[in-house]
Amino acid sequence: DIQMTQSPSSLSASVGDRVTITCRASQYISNYLNWYQQKPGKAPKVLIYLASSLQSGVPSRFSGSASGPDFTLTITSLQPEDSATYYCQQTYRTPLTFGQGTRLEIK
Amino acid sequence: QVQLVQSGAEVKKPGASVKVSCKASGYTFTGYFMHWVRQAPGQGLEWMGWINPISGGTEYAQKFQGRVTLTRDTSITTAYMELSRLSSDDTAVYYCARSTKSANGWIEDWGQGTLVTVSS
Repeated sequence: DIQMTQSPSSLSASVGDRVTITCRASQYISNYLNWYQQKPGKAPKVLIYLASSLQSGVPSRFSGSASGPDFTLTITSLQPEDSATYYCQQTYRTPLTFGQGTRLEIK
Repeated sequence: QVQLVQSGAEVKKPGASVKVSCKASGYTFTGYFMHWVRQAPGQGLEWMGWINPISGGTEYAQKFQGRVTLTRDTSITTAYMELSRLSSDDTAVYYCARSTKSANGWIEDWGQGTLVTVSS
């Protein structure tokens, strides 16, 4: 199985800050990497697909990038509503696997 | 708009089976793969498998092989997930989730989740 190692597991930042979350794949996954946001008690919501494509309706302060096996989700100008847990997911090969999640707290 | 409406919460005893339904609307049911993902309390997301509604073809995570069965009824645009030989480790929220048109597409829509509690 392809392991997705996500870091950090949690972070705290202030409104207006820029934050980055990283996901590393244990095997080659091309650009089949997606990012989801999940708020407590809710289903996840896709933010970024295919490593760097912004899902329709998602604010442009969210962006994704890739460099080899490393994938990054960047949130610029952090907003209070960005408080959530973020997950990466590879869809290159089954079983589809998720990172363990990053809990983002807004100070 | 796309809607995935799941059946209600279930409480099961260890060793029993559970079947969760997912009623789809707002799109062509047979055109998109349906995945099942679960989330144990306070834990991360775990992919269980997918079904191709047009063919009924399935793929399951090895962890669930032999215990999970994904089916669909195209006449009522509903997908089902049945999990057998339940244990307390299966206590989780179970989501159906529609991906884009390929099996390795991203998930665009999720059901509201169904809490399955396994307790003696």
